[in-house]
Amino acid sequence: DAGVTQSPTHLIKTRGQQVTLRCSPKSGHDTVSWYQQALGQGPQFIFQYYEEEERQRGNFPDRFSGHQFPNYSSELNVNALLLGDSALYLCASSSYTSGRTGELFFGEGSRLTVL
Amino acid sequence: AQTVTQSQPEMSVQEAETVTLSCTYDTSESDYYLFWYKQPPSRQMILVIRQEAYKQQNATENRFSVNFQKAAKSFSLKISDSQLGDAAMYFCAYRSPFSGGGADGLTFGKGTHLIIQP
Repeated sequence: DAGVTQSPTHLIKTRGQQVTLRCSPKSGHDTVSWYQQALGQGPQFIFQYYEEEERQRGNFPDRFSGHQFPNYSSELNVNALLLGDSALYLCASSSYTSGRTGELFFGEGSRLTVL
Repeated sequence: AQTVTQSQPEMSVQEAETVTLSCTYDTSESDYYLFWYKQPPSRQMILVIRQEAYKQQNATENRFSVNFQKAAKSFSLKISDSQLGDAAMYFCAYRSPFSGGGADGLTFGKGTHLIIQP
């Protein structure tokens, strides 16, 4: 049973470019959340997707957008990259019906470096 | 907004000894969930233990237990019989009450780096 998978594992971009990160949830999960983890910090919640809609959003600008596909996989898009966007981006999946009692399963993240 | 504070950037413990990691949080809500996650060098966050605020009994998972003090808004993690494999970053996290389904966004602390001395 595959867990949460993310791609790519590492990537380097320059300021002003756009990036797309991908996530496949754990089998049986239908909800995907994205987190940004800057170096030496705890993860910060970006947004959550369920039924192909953004259900909840953290304090991130509109440059951060996402998408969820019918197979529950998800993409995180970041436009007009800034140096401060350099971070580890974590995807987490869960089952919507488990509600707040449901455990979040995390992927190993995508390390983005913006030069 | 809720905040989570971990005041120990780094802790060191001898193998087989016991260590306690501290976490405090600030919230005006009466019902919520608290979590401890472990992040080894592989970067994957792994749930260690969780506590429901309305439960007075402290959660326990094998060598891991918590000391939940709701009035003090404190949620510490005790690791007994520390093992080399316990070395990792440990993050305390808070989740707001259920508001419509799904797993709402977690608020994390900055983490504590746990070192296990052989």
